[in-house]
Amino acid sequence: DAGVIQSPRHEVTEMGQEVTLRCKPISGHDYLFWYRQTMMRGLELLIYFNNNVPIDDSGMPEDRFSAKMPNASFSTLKIQPSEPRDSAVYFCASTLQWNQPQHFGDGTRLSIL
Amino acid sequence: DAKTTQPPSMDCAEGRAANLPCNHSTISGNEYVYWYRQIHSQGPQYIIHGLKNNETNEMASLIITEDRKSSTLILPHATLRDTAVYYCIVRVAFGGSGNTGKLIFGQGTTLQVKP
Repeated sequence: DAGVIQSPRHEVTEMGQEVTLRCKPISGHDYLFWYRQTMMRGLELLIYFNNNVPIDDSGMPEDRFSAKMPNASFSTLKIQPSEPRDSAVYFCASTLQWNQPQHFGDGTRLSIL
Repeated sequence: DAKTTQPPSMDCAEGRAANLPCNHSTISGNEYVYWYRQIHSQGPQYIIHGLKNNETNEMASLIITEDRKSSTLILPHATLRDTAVYYCIVRVAFGGSGNTGKLIFGQGTTLQVKP
């Protein structure tokens, strides 16, 4: 079975550029989560969707960050404009139901120069 | 959701059982204990979860004390591939305001399996 698929695996760009991270959840999963991991703050939840609708975006750091889920099989996390402090590994996860285990992708390692 | 306390690091010899402790003294009756692990450069991986009974699956066993204030994750025969950060998380099985029901990852226990 295909797991959660994220792209790109690595992204290096200069500050000020727009960055788009992509995620394909496991087919049939109703929940999708975006996490960010840094050495300083660990793994933290940014936003999650239920049935393509954003439910809680309280973890999104600021207005430069936005996330969309246009359909059940695709989600994007966009940073515009990007800053060096956005450098981190971004993970996407999905689950069938809230109380079921979350399945994580392999992440996107983002470096903003 | 209740907070957890884990030792920052542990070592285990290859082939031996790895016993990873977790304290959750403020756990409430409707909160589950979840274990995830993160192998270097990969996303977190679900291992096991339980409410009050001991649980076992193909990866590990979860032993929860009778008062539910602590638990132990057991990897029966640790291999080098089990070297990872192990996270113990307590959460309710539903969403709600604030952090209710969310997976809140702490610092975890770094398990080093040695040959």
